[in-house]
Amino acid sequence: AQTVTQSQPEMSVQEAETVTLSCTYDTSESDYYLFWYKQPPSRQMILVIRQEAYKQQNATENRFSVNFQKAAKSFSLKISDSQLGDAAMYFCAYEEDQGGSEKLVFGKGTKLTVNP
Amino acid sequence: SAVISQKPSRDICQRGTSLTIQCQVDSQVTMMFWYRQQPGQSLTLIATANQGSEATYESGFVIDKFPISRPNLTFSTLTVSNLSPEDSSIYLCSVQGDNQPQHFGDGTRLSIL
Repeated sequence: AQTVTQSQPEMSVQEAETVTLSCTYDTSESDYYLFWYKQPPSRQMILVIRQEAYKQQNATENRFSVNFQKAAKSFSLKISDSQLGDAAMYFCAYEEDQGGSEKLVFGKGTKLTVNP
Repeated sequence: SAVISQKPSRDICQRGTSLTIQCQVDSQVTMMFWYRQQPGQSLTLIATANQGSEATYESGFVIDKFPISRPNLTFSTLTVSNLSPEDSSIYLCSVQGDNQPQHFGDGTRLSIL
């Protein structure tokens, strides 16, 4: 079974600084998707970024970017110019590419605190 | 992305009763899913809600405890039956279109007295 590991239960960053959240995963598949979701205290799960495994180029969404290392099975999230509103739980997730209808497997999450 | 309405947003229930959670999407979607998030934990998939047929349950989840309906491509319900304190969790629905990522509703926070 696929597993997703987030080794940092908690991280903190100063406002306007950059922080990187780590994620590793285990799979024998070659085609899959990786995601970062954000869950603020309001409990809504918000999609931050998606990476397709067959694309070598790292995905970017405004201040959020990933470092995808397929051979190392590593998928880290970099948040630049951190803002107070970035404070949340961040979950890394894996989905197999089988017609886009497979379940998501989540890591345990990293709680990010942004200090003013 | 689709607008997802999940109701109720929270509830407090007595032991032994049941709660039905509704998930409504503003457009037809291929897939709908139900997840559980126990306190301080990550999300675990309960089942995939299949339109017009029985839901597909993950290991550890059974239909008698978590009956699911999906009468059409925009609506699904999850019932949590015979409630016990261990059922206190956040329950989330998600939807997925073709070749699209999953998007989540706001979740239902369930507490059991």
